[in-house]
Amino acid sequence: DAGITQSPRHKVTETGTPVTLRCHQTENHRYMYWYRQDPGHGLRLIHYSYGVKDTDKGEVSDGYSVSRSKTEDFLLTLESATSSQTSVYFCAISATSGSIQETQYFGPGTRLLVL
Amino acid sequence: DQQVKQNSPSLSVQEGRISILNCDYTNSMFDYFLWYKKYPAEGPTFLISISSIKDKNEDGRFTVFLNKSAKHLSLHIVPSQPGDSAVYFCAASSRNTGNQFYFGTGTSLTVIP
Repeated sequence: DAGITQSPRHKVTETGTPVTLRCHQTENHRYMYWYRQDPGHGLRLIHYSYGVKDTDKGEVSDGYSVSRSKTEDFLLTLESATSSQTSVYFCAISATSGSIQETQYFGPGTRLLVL
Repeated sequence: DQQVKQNSPSLSVQEGRISILNCDYTNSMFDYFLWYKKYPAEGPTFLISISSIKDKNEDGRFTVFLNKSAKHLSLHIVPSQPGDSAVYFCAASSRNTGNQFYFGTGTSLTVIP
């Protein structure tokens, strides 16, 4: 199994509070991703990173920000949580080079409930 | 706009029989396709992939077929086992989209003993 951990694994918070989710990898992979999984939508990309301090938006980035100050850590922040952000969040990593498409490996997920 | 679609939310199959999971895509630029398996309360795990230069890839009981003209791929599991019961996601990517993967909505497979 790829060395990916997510913390916390479960969180309950109130609307309007900031929330930060952490993804940590031990594989030294260049690419890291944040997805959310919702019924009827599958997995949707929020943000991804292609190196330290290099990030870009995915298809559902509104209301989220990310930071990557070290290769091994990728943080997802909800500046002011809303009930629509209740979801299961997955981090993924891949080691893609420019000419090879490689598989993404997923962490165990964080279940977030915004009341 | 969903670029990768799995139109069957669920599938039930008897143990020992074949399971066929289907996936359609709309973006003709996709050139790499994957299947992931997901158990409850766990992250998706990679199952099998196929490049657009192939039309079939086999790994043990799992075979993925790609029909580029129809923009369709399928996952065959033979023989199906109760431990295969899970949600299966197909995903697609393109060199033109960087390393962004687009996922379908998933098919929940139940293998009945």
